Amino acid sequence: GDSVTQMEGPVTLSEEAFLTINCTYTATGYPSLFWYVQYPGEGLQLLLKATKADDKGSNKGFEATYRKETTSFHLEKGSVQVSDSAVYFCALSDGGATNKLIFGTGTLLAVQP
Amino acid sequence: DVKVTQSSRYLVKRTGEKVFLECVQDMDHENMFWYRQDPGLGLRLIYFSYDVKMKEKGDIPEGYSVSREKKERFSLILESASTNQTSMYLCASSTAGVLNTQYFGPGTRLTVL
Repeated sequence: GDSVTQMEGPVTLSEEAFLTINCTYTATGYPSLFWYVQYPGEGLQLLLKATKADDKGSNKGFEATYRKETTSFHLEKGSVQVSDSAVYFCALSDGGATNKLIFGTGTLLAVQP
Repeated sequence: DVKVTQSSRYLVKRTGEKVFLECVQDMDHENMFWYRQDPGLGLRLIYFSYDVKMKEKGDIPEGYSVSREKKERFSLILESASTNQTSMYLCASSTAGVLNTQYFGPGTRLTVL
């Protein structure tokens, strides 16, 4: 079945460092891809998404490009802030009418001042 | 703003008790979801509903049931709680249709003693 694999954390960075969180997927069709973020004590919220190959999703300085040839959707940010400390989840949807998502295991990011 | 609320942030129950987790959304969404979140496993779908009184099993439905009598409310029921159901439970909702964003509640951390 479809699945998502993301790098294990925690990822610890200093403020203003460059961030990459790797995400790869396995899917039989042409999925859409998402990054969700969970701040401490809160539910998940959508960070960005891409619906087809070569699409780039972006939001709040974060970017991810849908790479069909490498089945990847890596999350990047050029300069992280302490406020970016959170758990980041990569997810895919097969586009079915019920809008089901399959999530990766999550990556904890800790940004130190 | 879309709001998804869950009845409790923290809940402690005893083995064998019947447990109700309630979720309410205020945006007239057709789809509602229940996930459990465990360290190292990410989010796993328990059940979802795409209309009132309609439900489908997710990936891990064993030991759970659901009820959706009104469009805005989706309840998760643990018929006889067990210690392996200690987890964070997250509710989400979305409009019908492909790729619509899921909006999450803050979660209920359930401990079964």
